[in-house]
Amino acid sequence: AQSVTQLGSHVSVSEGALVLLRCNYSSSVPPYLFWYVQYPNQGLQLLLKYTTGATLVKGINGFEAEFKKSETSFHLTKPSAHMSDAAEYFCAVSANTGFQKLVFGTGTRLLVSP
Amino acid sequence: GAGVSQSPSNKVTEKGKDVELRCDPISGHTALYWYRQSLGQGLEFLIYFQGNSAPDKSGLPSDRFSAERTGGSVSTLTIQRTQQEDSAVYLCASSFPQSEAFFGQGTRLTVV
Repeated sequence: AQSVTQLGSHVSVSEGALVLLRCNYSSSVPPYLFWYVQYPNQGLQLLLKYTTGATLVKGINGFEAEFKKSETSFHLTKPSAHMSDAAEYFCAVSANTGFQKLVFGTGTRLLVSP
Repeated sequence: GAGVSQSPSNKVTEKGKDVELRCDPISGHTALYWYRQSLGQGLEFLIYFQGNSAPDKSGLPSDRFSAERTGGSVSTLTIQRTQQEDSAVYLCASSFPQSEAFFGQGTRLTVV
């Protein structure tokens, strides 16, 4: 079985500051990991994903995440926040064996102040 | 179509009525998911279809909720005898196995 924990339901940063959104997963088999973003009144959009290979994954809008197996983490970072990054971010996991559903974390709302 | 399509985009219904929500997945995607997003809540898993396998219904909150997927494509989520607590945005997504899920825009259900 898989599960995801996102630490912090809200994260506030100033424009230009580092963004760090935390995600820890639990999986009985090697995982596939995803970050999604949801802007107000919109659907979910994929930011980036880890399947196999390089553990540092780059996504859209300057975001990246690093898969750390020893820490069971997949934290999302961006060096410099923009006002347009204000949104809700969801981490998700699925197993890489067989046909497995996506399991989402509870989400982290990112607030960016001028 | 190019993306996951959900209809209607908005639905207002009276308490006690039945509603049907439709999802057209991306052509060729074998996996289809329904999630519910309530005010202040995260993404609550409802049901998962994968190919011809029996669906994973473990997330359905009560027996008033059911879903079917016909011909491995279009899916309908049915809520019988709607209650006010059913008010939420219902999101559908589709994917290839172990790949990213593509989400529709959702159906906003309001039970009055």
